[in-house]
Order: sequence, then C-alpha cells, then structure tokens
Amino acid sequence: EIVLTQSPGTLSLSPGERATLSCRASQSVDSIYLAWYQQKPGQAPRLLIYGASNRATGIPDRFSGSGSGTDFTLTISSLEPEDFAVYYCQQYGSSLSYIFGQGTKLEIK
Amino acid sequence: QVQLVQSGPEVKTPGASVKVSCKASGYTFTTYGISWVRQAPGQGLEWVGWSSARSGNANYAQKFQGRVTMTTDPSANTAYMDLRSLRSDDTAVYYCSRRRNSHGFDLDYWGQGTLLTVSS
Repeated sequence: EIVLTQSPGTLSLSPGERATLSCRASQSVDSIYLAWYQQKPGQAPRLLIYGASNRATGIPDRFSGSGSGTDFTLTISSLEPEDFAVYYCQQYGSSLSYIFGQGTKLEIK
Repeated sequence: QVQLVQSGPEVKTPGASVKVSCKASGYTFTTYGISWVRQAPGQGLEWVGWSSARSGNANYAQKFQGRVTMTTDPSANTAYMDLRSLRSDDTAVYYCSRRRNSHGFDLDYWGQGTLLTVSS
C-alpha cells in the first residue's frame, strides 16, 4: 500500500511569506489522483487542488500545486491570515481506496 | 448550492452499533458517490469507505471490512454509514463527502461532521 509522507510536520511563517508544503509517495502515483485539502479547527476539510495542479472551485490563485511521480508540492505564494490551517495530501489508488498524508500544520510565526 | 447535512452527535457503549446519515442537496444525487472519512481527536484524516449513489455498490477500507456497511437511498438523497461492534478507538468525527466520478475521484464537498463518542 502506498504511504504518503508530508513535510514538514509544522511550518511556522508570517503573513505575506511564501509557504511550500511537500507530499512524498512511497511509490509512483498518477498525478491525476493526487489532491490537497485544507482543514481549519472545528471545520470539515476543503478541497484545494485536484489532479496535482488544478485549483478547485473558488480557491484563490495564491494556491498552486505541482509535482509528479513520487514528489508533490503545495505552494501558497503569499500567506493570508486565513491560510493558517492544516493541509493534507490525498491519493486515490488502484484498489479504489483513498490514502491521506499525516498533515502539515501551517502556523503563524 | 451543494450541501451535505449530517445527523447529530452520538454516544454509544462498546459493542453497540451506530448509523450516521448524510442528506445531500443542490445536485443530482445519483451522479456522484459518497465517501466517509473519520478523524479521531487531535489526529489526521482516515478514509473509511465509499458507496455509489447510483448502483449502491460500496468499497471499504480493509480495517473496517466486516464492521461497516454504507448504503444510499436515492429517493431521499441520503447516504448512510452503519458501523458495528463499536470500540473506544472508534471515537471520532465522521465526515461524509461527495465523491466525483471523474477527474481523480476527489472529494469536493463535505458534510459538517458527526461526532461519535464510544464510552462505557
């Protein structure tokens, strides 16, 4: 089974800075099946990026996704106060199952 | 607008069963699936399974096989998750989400979550 490892576990940055979050898969995955979600405390997750690089409906263009094979990246170009949250990558696999990474917490420095 | 509204919090004793509902609105129910994801207190997201709203077919994560049943009622635009033989480590918030049947089958809308507490 594929394992998704996110790094760093916690990222401390200030508003206006650039955030780079990593998601590494234990084996190569088809990028069409790689998504990113944002979760704020007490809220349900929200789809940010699908197909590794496509923004979901209503997602600001400061969010971007990239990568292929085993290495994927979520970039937030200039952090807004509302961006501080936990971010999860997720892969949909050949066994018709979903795997989530353990999450990266983006906190205000 | 797309909405998924889940049933309220549940408190169960070990060994009991629970049935959580997820009522969809704002889209054609049978053109998407419904996936269930849980989150234990302070932990990450864990996928439980998904069911097709059109066919009723379901696929479950291996660790829940034999303990979970996911069904849908297209006449009520509602999906259900039935979890049996509850243990204390089933305590979590359970989310339903809409599963797209194209692109990467990602989960594009989520319910508000249902807190399940299992305690003696």
